[in-house]
Amino acid sequence: GIQVEQSPPDLILQEGANSTLRCNFSDSVNNLQWFHQNPWGQLINLFYIPSGTKQNGRLSATTVATERYSLLYISSSQTTDSGVYFCAVERGGGGADGLTFGKGTHLIIQP
Amino acid sequence: EAGVTQSPTHLIKTRGQQATLRCSPISGHTSVYWYQQALGLGLQFLLWYDEGEERNRGNFPPRFSGRQFPNYSSELNVNALELEDSALYLCASSLRTTTDTQYFGPGTRLTVL
Repeated sequence: GIQVEQSPPDLILQEGANSTLRCNFSDSVNNLQWFHQNPWGQLINLFYIPSGTKQNGRLSATTVATERYSLLYISSSQTTDSGVYFCAVERGGGGADGLTFGKGTHLIIQP
Repeated sequence: EAGVTQSPTHLIKTRGQQATLRCSPISGHTSVYWYQQALGLGLQFLLWYDEGEERNRGNFPPRFSGRQFPNYSSELNVNALELEDSALYLCASSLRTTTDTQYFGPGTRLTVL
């Protein structure tokens, strides 16, 4: 099956810093999503981005499908940004394969 | 608009028992997915239901099963519970049109003693 690798596994930053999280995947994909898992376990949708660039406030994401990677940028980090960020992909279309998740990046923002 | 809902929030069972978890998708979504997040194993795809039928399943034994009802809600049944079934079970729904964005519920935390 498709492999998803996220880096770094852990990241500790001071409030106000910027960060870049990376997601590499082993095959072409029709679906790529970024999630933030809150302390209670719920996955919060950040981006649906199988290709291209999107921005939402302090967060932005870029997926270069031909090179099989995606980047999530967080600017001016706040303590509430802490948590685990997951990248998830689906190779086929229409939801048939389910999402394959990376192991996540555990982000800690210190005040 | 209400998001994906799941019940119960927590469930405690003993080994060998059966567990039933429930999920209501976002209104208008016809596809429901189940995922397991077990400690050390990450998030894994379990089952996909669409239009009342099981369409695909991940690498899980047959004692993990479920169904989707005419109103598109779904339940996941885990029979003959084992200790390693202890996990957070997440349900997601999608519309399956031009985008396949999956939206997740808050999860059910299953503990098997």
